[in-house]
Amino acid sequence: DAGITQSPRHKVTETGTPVTLRCHQTENHRYMYWYRQDPGHGLRLIHYSYGVKDTDKGEVSDGYSVSRSKTEDFLLTLESATSSQTSVYFCAIRETSGSVSGELFFGEGSRLTVL
Amino acid sequence: GDSVTQMEGPVTLSEEAFLTINCTYTATGYPSLFWYVQYPGEGLQLLLKATKADDKGSNKGFEATYRKETTSFHLEKGSVQVSDSAVYFCALGGIQGAQKLVFGQGTRLTINP
Repeated sequence: DAGITQSPRHKVTETGTPVTLRCHQTENHRYMYWYRQDPGHGLRLIHYSYGVKDTDKGEVSDGYSVSRSKTEDFLLTLESATSSQTSVYFCAIRETSGSVSGELFFGEGSRLTVL
Repeated sequence: GDSVTQMEGPVTLSEEAFLTINCTYTATGYPSLFWYVQYPGEGLQLLLKATKADDKGSNKGFEATYRKETTSFHLEKGSVQVSDSAVYFCALGGIQGAQKLVFGQGTRLTINP
């Protein structure tokens, strides 16, 4: 159990409203990620973090911002939600000790619907 | 850039059938390769992995061999069960730096009794 909690698990919102998704981990892992899952696209990386206040963009970062003010929390913000951002969002962590291959461990997902 | 191409789904099989889900990749260097499984309503779980050429990953009766010459990492199982019904994702990633996994599009597998 990688100790990852995502909140909220489900959210319905309207176009143009801001939305923040939270990922919380309990084990002080350095690397955290936000992916979105859409049919026919698999999982695509939005943003990732390699430490407190250290973040970088993934392949589908437009319309999203992130923040990591402490090790355990990684926030994903949609400043003005659009219908194209309706998706399932997954947070992941990389265990930095004892893992040569660098696999990721995923949370249970947050389903966001933008009307 | 790095990419993963998976067999198109959905795939429907009868219980005890042989399963193959094809996965090929394009990458610079020598990536690690992974298969993840997603059961309905859940997040992704690591099924198996291989970190270098000719490595075979295995778990729960599933196997995949890292083939550098054909840039492939096909998932196989000799006798599937209804409980194997899920979506399967092939992924690749480097072993240095931030380890940004690149995923295939996923293959939905349904096993009928």
